[in-house]
Amino acid sequence: DTAVSQTPKYLVTQMGNDKSIKCEQNLGHDTMYWYKQDSKKFLKIMFSYNNKELIINETVPNRFSPKSPDKAHLNLHINSLELGDSAVYFCASSRTGPNQPQHFGDGTRLSIL
Amino acid sequence: AQTVTQSQPEMSVQEAETVTLSCTYDTSESDYYLFWYKQPPSRQMILVIRQEAYKQQNATENRFSVNFQKAAKSFSLKISDSQLGDAAMYFCAYRMSDTASKLTFGTGTRLQVTL
Repeated sequence: DTAVSQTPKYLVTQMGNDKSIKCEQNLGHDTMYWYKQDSKKFLKIMFSYNNKELIINETVPNRFSPKSPDKAHLNLHINSLELGDSAVYFCASSRTGPNQPQHFGDGTRLSIL
Repeated sequence: AQTVTQSQPEMSVQEAETVTLSCTYDTSESDYYLFWYKQPPSRQMILVIRQEAYKQQNATENRFSVNFQKAAKSFSLKISDSQLGDAAMYFCAYRMSDTASKLTFGTGTRLQVTL
């Protein structure tokens, strides 16, 4: 039933580790996104893929690498985690087009110790 | 660069009353899209309403309506007959009319609904 699902919902890890967050959507959308929401609730786009091609790549450290194996999946891998990476990461999807509403997952709360 | 400003960090409304959340944006584009998203404590972002800039008519979705003033670059959200379930963070967002454009969010307004 879930439209956009992210795993895990919570991730607690130490500085320097490498971690991945997975995202899958069953809405038949062809565009997917990763957002970061900081402790002040500010939400900012990180990446966007359309039909498995990267179309938005904001100023994000290259420790963050998205991967889209197919249109329904967009994973986020983070190398050498830093304290500043602590945030909630949201995956979203939509049909192609700027007027299309984006459907968000429940978010992954990443906490770096 | 486009910016979205929500000048009210927190608002409070009594149940059954009406509240208006403010949003202004800065853009040099003439064609774009505006959205209001709701984020309840459960954390999920939910689309509340959207407006196309080329449409003069204000969008309405049940108890939610917008006041879109294109010349003033203002896009406020009115919630009528407020309910306890409306308590959430509300984010205004802007997007250019380009498939590869990004959604730019405001800083959010936390809405409390009291009995």
